[in-house]
Amino acid sequence: GQQVMQIPQYQHVQEGEDFTTYCNSSTTLSNIQWYKQRPGGHPVFLIQLVKSGEVKKQKRLTFQFGEAKKNSSLHITATQTTDVGTYFCAGKVQGAQKLVFGQGTRLTINP
Amino acid sequence: KAGVTQTPRYLIKTRGQQVTLSCSPISGHRSVSWYQQTPGQGLQFLFEYFSETQRNKGNFPGRFSGRQFSNSRSEMNVSTLELGDSALYLCASTPLAGAYNEQFFGPGTRLTVL
Repeated sequence: GQQVMQIPQYQHVQEGEDFTTYCNSSTTLSNIQWYKQRPGGHPVFLIQLVKSGEVKKQKRLTFQFGEAKKNSSLHITATQTTDVGTYFCAGKVQGAQKLVFGQGTRLTINP
Repeated sequence: KAGVTQTPRYLIKTRGQQVTLSCSPISGHRSVSWYQQTPGQGLQFLFEYFSETQRNKGNFPGRFSGRQFSNSRSEMNVSTLELGDSALYLCASTPLAGAYNEQFFGPGTRLTVL
């Protein structure tokens, strides 16, 4: 079935370092969403990208949607301890009526 | 506005039993989706309900079923529980039909099957 692959599975950084997680789909996506799940919490919506090549920023977070609408990335500049959690991408496959979630990237930070 | 609520928060059952989980969406949200989250499989879509009708279904066996009431509250039922059903069950609501819209997740029900 349709899969959305996300890498890396885990990432440990020193506070202040940058962090990037990548999301790849074998088929074209209508949109891509990103969610953050804090330890012990539930996923919280961060952003949605719809257009080919779209780039959106939220403070230290930069989200990109690839030109072919098959990949996306989330980049965090100068990580802070509040960034700890698991980041999920979720894509809508064209013609489907649901989101397919990536496996998530678990970010831990050494203060 | 209150968020999505789920009850119970924790549940322990034994193999072969059945379980019913409840979800109350954000006021005004008419679409409710259910997800199963496990460390190995990640977030897997179970089904979506809108206006008391199931609109979309994931790849889960028939032991997993759900329904939605006229006030948009939803229940999910799992019959003949198996050990592999141990997971965090998340419910998410959205104002519009379509499980591909921004999902507002509840805190989840942690189900343990012994």
